[in-house]
Amino acid sequence: EAGVTQFPSHSVIEKGQTVTLRCDPISGHDNLYWYRRVMGKEIKFLLHFVKESKQDESGMPNNRFLAERTGGTYSTLKVQPAELEDSGVYFCASSHADTQYFGPGTRLTVL
Amino acid sequence: AQTVTQSQPEMSVQEAETVTLSCTYDTSESNYYLFWYKQPPSRQMILVIRQEAYKQQNATENRFSVNFQKAAKSFSLKISDSQLGDTAMYFCAFMEYGNKLVFGAGTILRVKS
Repeated sequence: EAGVTQFPSHSVIEKGQTVTLRCDPISGHDNLYWYRRVMGKEIKFLLHFVKESKQDESGMPNNRFLAERTGGTYSTLKVQPAELEDSGVYFCASSHADTQYFGPGTRLTVL
Repeated sequence: AQTVTQSQPEMSVQEAETVTLSCTYDTSESNYYLFWYKQPPSRQMILVIRQEAYKQQNATENRFSVNFQKAAKSFSLKISDSQLGDTAMYFCAFMEYGNKLVFGAGTILRVKS
């Protein structure tokens, strides 16, 4: 069974540019989560999808971040325009019940 | 709001020895889950062990076991017979049923040969 995959693994962009991160959950997992770890800080929750619906987006830092989950399958997280403080590792996780399985993360660097 | 505290930023242990990583949490909930995840250098974060709060028996997975003290809100991880492959960042995490994970800051564990 394939695990959670994320693309790209690394992204380096200039301040003000747009970046889109993608997450493919484990097949059959209705729950999909996005988390972020900014350098030297804790992993923080961003949002939670159940199928294609946003269940909880209380962790989204501001309206520069837009998450979608088309058809309840893969999800994208777009940052537009990117700021320096958006740099960090973005993790995606999926679950069927109460255990979340993580992807390898996308390391985003904003210069 | 729930919080998770890992008071040991870094630890080291000799190969084949035992090490315990500490974790405390704060919540007003009575039903929840606790997890330990590990992230080896440049690799994916993987689940080590999970504990359901309503279960009094401590969870065990091979060389990994927990000491869950619900009243004290403590959830430590014991690694027996440490191996070089155990070198990783270890995260303690709390979760209400069907909800988001709340993570501690992590503990870097280095296993020395």
